[in-house]
Amino acid sequence: SQTIHQWPATLVQPVGSPLSLECTVEGTSNPNLYWYRQAAGRGLQLLFYSVGIGQISSEVPQNLSASRPQDRQFILSSKKLLLSDSGFYLCAWSRGARASNQPQHFGDGTRLSIL
Amino acid sequence: KNEVEQSPQNLTAQEGEFITINCSYSVGISALHWLQQHPGGGIVSLFMLSSGKKKHGRLIATINIQEKHSSLHITASHPRDSAVYICAAPNTGNQFYFGTGTSLTVIP
Repeated sequence: SQTIHQWPATLVQPVGSPLSLECTVEGTSNPNLYWYRQAAGRGLQLLFYSVGIGQISSEVPQNLSASRPQDRQFILSSKKLLLSDSGFYLCAWSRGARASNQPQHFGDGTRLSIL
Repeated sequence: KNEVEQSPQNLTAQEGEFITINCSYSVGISALHWLQQHPGGGIVSLFMLSSGKKKHGRLIATINIQEKHSSLHITASHPRDSAVYICAAPNTGNQFYFGTGTSLTVIP
């Protein structure tokens, strides 16, 4: 069976510090991978998605970046965090190629607080 | 205007009540997704449907493609159903438009 791991579960970081959130998927190959952010009281916002190794699409301009160094690994990074980066970050995967016809499977999320 | 609109935003029900959450979308889709977000934040996929009706336990999802409208029903609601329910409509690529969610609280 497929599983998705996301860590850490919670993170408190000072403004201006770097960030690295990691997500790995097991039990499937060549998944579509997604990073979402959910600000308090708001809906899910797609940040990045990837259909393959090294292929990253960005949805919104921001100081975050994503990388996919391996087929089932997706990393969300920042060189310098802003207060506005606080939120709940979720990684998800779905089977390729037509994601619309496939359910998305979510990680447990990372609650990021910027001080 | 958002591509996906949900109503109501918040819903409080007594245990045992029949619950309906509505979702309207403005984009052409091949399938609509219903998600459940637990109080701790984790999200699970409940349904993916492209026509008619699907049932899973006490949960029923319906969709009317012509009217671009879907509903999620919960029969005999229970406090453990308390969660945020999110409707999601995929675009023509590999992405989704998400509703802002309906926060459901079921009181014992």
